Amino acid sequence: NAGVTQTPKFQVLKTGQSMTLQCAQDMNHNSMYWYRQDPGMGLRLIYYSASEGTTDKGEVPNGYNVSRLNKREFSLRLESAAPSQTSVYFCASSERSGRGVYEQYFGPGTRLTVT
Amino acid sequence: ELKVEQNPLFLSMQEGKNYTIYCNYSTTSDRLYWYRQDPGKSLESLFVLLSNGAVKQEGRLMASLDTKARLSTLHITAAVHDLSATYFCAVGPIIQGAQKLVFGQGTRLTINP
Repeated sequence: NAGVTQTPKFQVLKTGQSMTLQCAQDMNHNSMYWYRQDPGMGLRLIYYSASEGTTDKGEVPNGYNVSRLNKREFSLRLESAAPSQTSVYFCASSERSGRGVYEQYFGPGTRLTVT
Repeated sequence: ELKVEQNPLFLSMQEGKNYTIYCNYSTTSDRLYWYRQDPGKSLESLFVLLSNGAVKQEGRLMASLDTKARLSTLHITAAVHDLSATYFCAVGPIIQGAQKLVFGQGTRLTINP
């Protein structure tokens, strides 16, 4: 099992360009998440999808859109990139365990720089 | 609004010493998680604490949860260099089967030989 995979690993954009970050999981999890990590601020939730067909905003959704393409895939789109969106982006997935734990499994991250 | 605060944010210690990282959160939350992150890497799950008084141990790391005080601690015993990393705690509500985690700022731990 590959777990959670993300593409690309690195990306440099100019201000105003658009791009889509891809995420896929092979653990048959219902829930998927997108976070951004900035220095000194921990991870902040951008959007999440509790199940296929649903998406909801997290803490910092402005400037982003998401698509839950199917149960495996959850993409994050920047329509018009801004320097403030320079960050490391992590995708995660989770499923309720028998113990009532919703442990999230994280992908390797995408390092995005907007100039 | 749920806030999660860790302290200290930076910790430099010598091998063999003991220390504790604190995680405070502002509102009642289900399940508290501790994660480890090595530089340039992703997050690795360490512990899940489910209820008041829960204690989990793995090697030189022990985590505990006091839901009444809204406090979790991560205690490091006889630190070794391999434990150098950034440690995050996270809590959050469960909504329709997803858990909306709010993370602390992280504690960057450096263990010197």
